[in-house]
Amino acid sequence: EDQVTQSPEALRLQEGESSSLNCSYTVSGLRGLFWYRQDPGKGPEFLFTLYSAGEEKEKERLKATLTKKESFLHITAPKPEDSATYLCAVQTMLGQSGGSYIPTFGRGTSLIVHP
Amino acid sequence: ETGVTQTPRHLVMGMTNKKSLKCEQHLGHNAMYWYKQSAKKPLELMFVYNFKEQTENNSVPSRFSPECPNSSHLFLHLHTLQPEDSALYLCASSQGNGGMWGYTFGSGTRLTVV
Repeated sequence: EDQVTQSPEALRLQEGESSSLNCSYTVSGLRGLFWYRQDPGKGPEFLFTLYSAGEEKEKERLKATLTKKESFLHITAPKPEDSATYLCAVQTMLGQSGGSYIPTFGRGTSLIVHP
Repeated sequence: ETGVTQTPRHLVMGMTNKKSLKCEQHLGHNAMYWYKQSAKKPLELMFVYNFKEQTENNSVPSRFSPECPNSSHLFLHLHTLQPEDSALYLCASSQGNGGMWGYTFGSGTRLTVV
């Protein structure tokens, strides 16, 4: 069975204090790994898709990287507006159903950035 | 607004009531999804529709009944729910498998069953 584990469960940072969130996975036939951001009372917002080990993507203060076993979301010099829950999801070949590759989500990391 | 609109935003219903959740997308996506999000649990996929055809029913109890009249609209009909069904219900859409651009989620309906 596919497994996606995110750590830490919660993270508190001071503004400007860089850190990383981890998403480790044990799946067969990884097709893609997604990162989402979710604000309270809202649905997840798509950030990145990574397809293969060694790939990196950046958006403002966020940088996502991928290895064969895990992905990191690096947050450089975070600001209070980066506070949110960050979700990781993996999409696999075995999850295919009627043409849809169904992603498996992790529980998320709740990030709070203090001013 | 994300491009996926869900109504109502909040819903309180008794266990004997019948209600429906609505989802609408005008992104031209061909796949739509219902997810359940409970506290401290991962997002749980409930139903998948591709080109209006249901392709996934993730062992969801029959008290939840989806309907997809066209590729832009998705409903979730609710009846005789249980208190443990209280959760955030999220609708999402994607073009194809949602690879390059992921899924676009609505803001959800916060459901409370009393």
